[in-house]
Order: sequence, then C-alpha cells, then structure tokens
Amino acid sequence: GENVEQHPSTLSVQEGDSAVIKCTYSDSASNYFPWYKQELGKGPQLIIDIRSNVGEKKDQRIAVTLNKTAKHFSLHITETQPEDSAVYFCAASINTNAGKSTFGDGTTLTVKP
Amino acid sequence: DAGVTQSPTHLIKTRGQQVTLRCSPKSGHDTVSWYQQALGQGPQFIFQYYEEEERQRGNFPDRFSGHQFPNYSSELNVNALLLGDSALYLCASTPSPSTDTQYFGPGTRLTVL
Repeated sequence: GENVEQHPSTLSVQEGDSAVIKCTYSDSASNYFPWYKQELGKGPQLIIDIRSNVGEKKDQRIAVTLNKTAKHFSLHITETQPEDSAVYFCAASINTNAGKSTFGDGTTLTVKP
Repeated sequence: DAGVTQSPTHLIKTRGQQVTLRCSPKSGHDTVSWYQQALGQGPQFIFQYYEEEERQRGNFPDRFSGHQFPNYSSELNVNALLLGDSALYLCASTPSPSTDTQYFGPGTRLTVL
C-alpha cells in the first residue's frame, strides 16, 4: 500500500520568514495530494491540494509543488504569522479510491513573534 | 451550513468494553470515512461508507465496524476495547464517493483505561 513520509517533524521559524514542509510518497498511482492544518482540539482542515496533472498551485501565502518523477511534494508558507502555528499533515490518495487517504506523521510548525 | 459534527467529544472506557461513536456529514454529503489518529501521528483510514454499505476498508481488525443510516449519518463501533485503541477518531465526509476533497469533523477523543 501507499506510504507517505513527512519532514521535518518540527519546524520553528521567525514571524515573516518562510516555512517549507516536504513529503514523499511510494505509490506512483497516487494522484491527489492534499495538505491539512490541525489546531489543538480540532480536526484537520484542508488548506490546499494539488492533483498529479499540475506541478504547482498557489493560494495567497500558501503554495504546493509536486514532482511526480521523484514522487515528492512540498508545502511552502511565505510571510509566516503566529496564527500559522499548528500541526500540518500531507496526504496522498488515488482518485479511484477517493476518500481513502494515507497521511504523513505531521509537522509541528511554530512561528515566533 | 453545518460542517461535519461528531459526538461525543470525549469518552472514557475500560478494556473489554464496547463503544459507539457518531458522525453527521456536512450538508449535501453522502459519503463518510472514519480515521483513527493516535497521539503524535497522522490519521489512519479505517473505512468508508456510501449508500449504507462499507465501500473501502483500511488495515483494521473486525473489532472495528460501522453503519450508515438513510440520512447519511454514520456510526463507528469498536468491540473488546484495547489500551491501544485510545486515540482521536475522526469522521470525514465528501459529496460523493468519487470526490477527493474531504471535510473533517472535530473528532471524538477515546481513552481506554
């Protein structure tokens, strides 16, 4: 089955700096890659996603890149703010098995004011 | 527009007992997936329900079972609880079984003593 590895497990940045989180996946059939933000006591919230027919997607301060050949994808957050502090998860799934996502183990991002 | 709701918020059980967790999907959604999230880890897929039937299943024993009702709400049942079943149980819904984008509820925190 699919295996998703996520790095780093913890990341601390100064407010205003950029943060990058990287994930690799094992199943070349995976074609949907969402990123979630999970705050304490809450469920994961989708922040951005990318499909395998696209190499990059951007939404304001957040961007995701995908390298299908290398089977890795990354989350980029620019101009970080203290409210960006949370646990971020990457995931991968195959659209023929939509809803069955394999998650990474998460990155705890701390943005220092 | 109500999002995904789950009940109860917290639950404490003892080993060997049985537990039932409940989920109401987001309005307009008919497909429900359940995930187990152990402390410090990413969510792990348990199973997915559509049209009142289990459509996909992850690597979980038969002690984990579910049900979906005609109004699309769902239950997760766990029998013969083990200490290792202590986790946050998340429900996610999608508007159809072929839709990738999932919306998560806040979860039910289960503690097994």
